[in-house]
Amino acid sequence: DAGITQSPRHKVTETGTPVTLRCHQTENHRYMYWYRQDPGHGLRLIHYSYGVKDTDKGEVSDGYSVSRSKTEDFLLTLESATSSQTSVYFCAISESKLGYEQYFGPGTRLTVT
Amino acid sequence: AQSVTQPDIHITVSEGASLELRCNYSYGATPYLFWYVQSPGQGLQLLLKYFSGDTLVQGIKGFEAEFKRSQSSFNLRKPSVHWSDAAEYFCAVAPRTDKLIFGTGTRLQVFP
Repeated sequence: DAGITQSPRHKVTETGTPVTLRCHQTENHRYMYWYRQDPGHGLRLIHYSYGVKDTDKGEVSDGYSVSRSKTEDFLLTLESATSSQTSVYFCAISESKLGYEQYFGPGTRLTVT
Repeated sequence: AQSVTQPDIHITVSEGASLELRCNYSYGATPYLFWYVQSPGQGLQLLLKYFSGDTLVQGIKGFEAEFKRSQSSFNLRKPSVHWSDAAEYFCAVAPRTDKLIFGTGTRLQVFP
């Protein structure tokens, strides 16, 4: 298995609070991604990174920001959490430019009350 | 716009029976095609992929998939299902100038 960890694995937070999720990899892969998984929607891309300090938006980026100051870490921040952001969040990594052959972390279950 | 359709939300089969999960895509050219599996509480694991060449591809855990250009399909098959195959299965496509697009998933239930 690819060396990808996510922290925390579970989190409950209140509406309006900021939340940061961390993805850490030991594979030295260049590309990193954040997805959210919701019933009936599959996985939807939030943000991705193609290198240190190089990030871009995915299809559902509103309300989220990311940072990547080191190759191994990719942080996802919910600036002010809302109930609609209750979801399971997955980090993925990839060596390749077009984003295929992605390897996924175990996920973080976030509940916003 | 590119899209991926998995028409079956939930499938139930008996252990030992054959399985086929459907996947159709909408894209002008042939994209890269993937099947991922997600066991309960886990992340996604790549089962197999198609880039080019032989349209029948073999994957892990005894799965195979066949690419049919004329039908824009990439269906996943297994000749004999095991109880441990119970999971959610995602088809994904990567249009050759863009990122992965996932289908909404098919949940497989296996009865003994």
